[in-house]
Amino acid sequence: GAGVSQTPSNKVTEKGKYVELRCDPISGHTALYWYRQSLGQGPEFLIYFQGTGAADDSGLPNDRFFAVRPEGSVSTLKIQRTERGDSAVYLCASSSQGTGNTIYFGEGSWLTVV
Amino acid sequence: QQQVKQSPQSLIVQKGGISIINCAYENTAFDYFPWYQQFPGKGPALLIAIRPDVSEKKEGRFTISFNKSAKQFSLHIMDSQPGDSATYFCAASTGGYQKVTFGIGTKLQVIP
Repeated sequence: GAGVSQTPSNKVTEKGKYVELRCDPISGHTALYWYRQSLGQGPEFLIYFQGTGAADDSGLPNDRFFAVRPEGSVSTLKIQRTERGDSAVYLCASSSQGTGNTIYFGEGSWLTVV
Repeated sequence: QQQVKQSPQSLIVQKGGISIINCAYENTAFDYFPWYQQFPGKGPALLIAIRPDVSEKKEGRFTISFNKSAKQFSLHIMDSQPGDSATYFCAASTGGYQKVTFGIGTKLQVIP
């Protein structure tokens, strides 16, 4: 597809379960970002990949959150021992290499922890 | 700690009117100030952006005004249309780096 693709679009899970959210960036984009958007709030930065490596993971809230991008394309955000406070829309974005380039967001994965 | 403060949180404007959204920032290292538009169920999309070396940037009906000394910037939507009804986020980042800090958002409703 032409845009950033995220799956699943909606996920309901029980407290304490493990969740994986997938992001397929725009083809050729080397930079990939994960943001989290709670209801009524702006997106909050979680992690940034340049290629396969996490260049900045300072936004990950705690060690229950982890993200990988093993081949420099698709990325997976992993959340262990989910808590009700993790409920939010998880947005993935990508951009081409270089400063000041537009980042393109996907439609997000809406996670509900019950 | 909210590094980018945005107001108002909601705004109702009549069709043809001017919508104005204001933002203020604290971190003087910010050097890139984008505005994003988000429709329900969609991700944010870049609308317009400005760097602090200019005081104003206009693209169509959308204008950013920037006041570096006051650390404030605003979005003006001229001739507002019902199709402009969305949530608007101001944002800021440093060094062209795309770790973007967003404001809380303004839900704009343009009524016919």
